[in-house]
Amino acid sequence: DGGITQSPKYLFRKEGQNVTLSCEQNLNHDAMYWYRQDPGQGLRLIYYSQIVNDFQKGDIAEGYSVSREKKESFPLTVTSAQKNPTAFYLCASSNGRAPSTEAFFGQGTRLTVV
Amino acid sequence: AQSVSQHNHHVILSEAASLELGCNYSYGGTVNLFWYVQYPGQHLQLLLKYFSGDPLVKGIKGFEAEFIKSKFSFNLRKPSVQWSDTAEYFCAVQLNRDDKIIFGKGTRLHILP
Repeated sequence: DGGITQSPKYLFRKEGQNVTLSCEQNLNHDAMYWYRQDPGQGLRLIYYSQIVNDFQKGDIAEGYSVSREKKESFPLTVTSAQKNPTAFYLCASSNGRAPSTEAFFGQGTRLTVV
Repeated sequence: AQSVSQHNHHVILSEAASLELGCNYSYGGTVNLFWYVQYPGQHLQLLLKYFSGDPLVKGIKGFEAEFIKSKFSFNLRKPSVQWSDTAEYFCAVQLNRDDKIIFGKGTRLHILP
């Protein structure tokens, strides 16, 4: 099946630890995105990548880091510098070419930092 | 900075009522526009999209949206809502210059049976 896989679905970490969220897509999409979804805040863009080996900060990049070494993969690291890391994280991809430019989403990872 | 504004955070309607959810964006360049829906406990899914051509676009489940370029708006409409339309609706804008996609804060729609 073609799609976006985020793992794990639920993740618990102790405060002060870095944690990496996985996102893999087999849609052959060029662009990939990370969002954070909080109640009443909608989806806020953390990082996005148009192509391999290139990525840009979104609106709330502080305390996060990403890499894009392969087209299929766009892992997100939540560092200890992120002040409020507990949230629902969504990964998405897009082929970036009209008419099919919409983002396709994974099932999300719920991160809880205790 | 670019932004997307959704006017209503929470809307409550009775079945068969008409729906219009507002969406405005701030960006002067070329964009693609989307409405997504998130049903309780489910993934985000695309309702409809606009990238060029006819500014009135039709989507799934009887939804439509109109792009008014002069007003930077992309309002979502449905003539007669059903209880199953209860969900959260998100407007999104993709900047053609760099594929950045930004979302509004969402509108929670609650349909009374």
